[in-house]
Amino acid sequence: NAGVTQTPKFRILKIGQSMTLQCTQDMNHNYMYWYRQDPGMGLKLIYYSVGAGITDKGEVPNGYNVSRSTTEDFPLRLELAAPSQTSVYFCASSQYRGHTDTQYFGPGTRLTVL
Amino acid sequence: GQQLNQSPQSMFIQEGEDVSMNCTSSSIFNTWLWYKQDPGEGPVLLIALYKAGELTSNGRLTAQFGITRKDSFLNISASIPSDVGIYFCAGPMDSNYQLIWGAGTKLIIKP
Repeated sequence: NAGVTQTPKFRILKIGQSMTLQCTQDMNHNYMYWYRQDPGMGLKLIYYSVGAGITDKGEVPNGYNVSRSTTEDFPLRLELAAPSQTSVYFCASSQYRGHTDTQYFGPGTRLTVL
Repeated sequence: GQQLNQSPQSMFIQEGEDVSMNCTSSSIFNTWLWYKQDPGEGPVLLIALYKAGELTSNGRLTAQFGITRKDSFLNISASIPSDVGIYFCAGPMDSNYQLIWGAGTKLIIKP
C-alpha cells in the first residue's frame, strides 16, 4: 500500500495565482484532513472530511477550498495565492476520528508564494 | 481558545542521555497523543493516552497522562541518533474533536 500520497512535493506560486494540491489515500479511510505547518509552529487544521461528499472547516480555512467526491481523494484548492499561504501542507487520513485513531500523513507539499 | 504549550522548544543532547519533554493545556483534555516528525516527512503517531494517570510505553519511549488532565509528559531513555526530529503533542478540540497541536520540541543530538 502507498498510504497517503501528495503532489506536488514543491511549488512556487506568484501572488494571485491559483493551484490545487492533490491528496490520495489507498487505505479506504473515512476521515481526511488538510493541515498547514508554519516554521516553528504546530500543525493547523485547514479543512477536514468525514466521508465522501462531506467537508467542514478547521481552524484556518480562509483562502482555501476543498472537495471530497470519492473516498480516496481530497484535493485542496488555493484560489488567489498570498504570501501568508507560504507553508508546508500535509494531508492525512484516519479510519475513525483523529483523537481516537491514528492519523496517517503524506510527505507534504512545500509551497512558496512570491 | 484551546492551546497546547510544549517545552522545551528544542533540546541538544548527547547520545545515550535520557530526554524529558512536556505539554500543557489551558483546558482539560480527554486524550493526549504524541507524534514524531522526521525531517522532510509527515508526523507519525508514537503513543496515545486516554485515561488520567495512564503510563504507556513504546520501546524506549514512555508517556504519561497527567492526573490534572491538563498536561502530558514524554520521556525517551538512552537516546540514539534516529531519535532526532520534532516531537508534537496533540489533543482533541472541544468543538469538533479534531486535533490541536503543540508547536513541538525539536531534539538534536550533539555530534
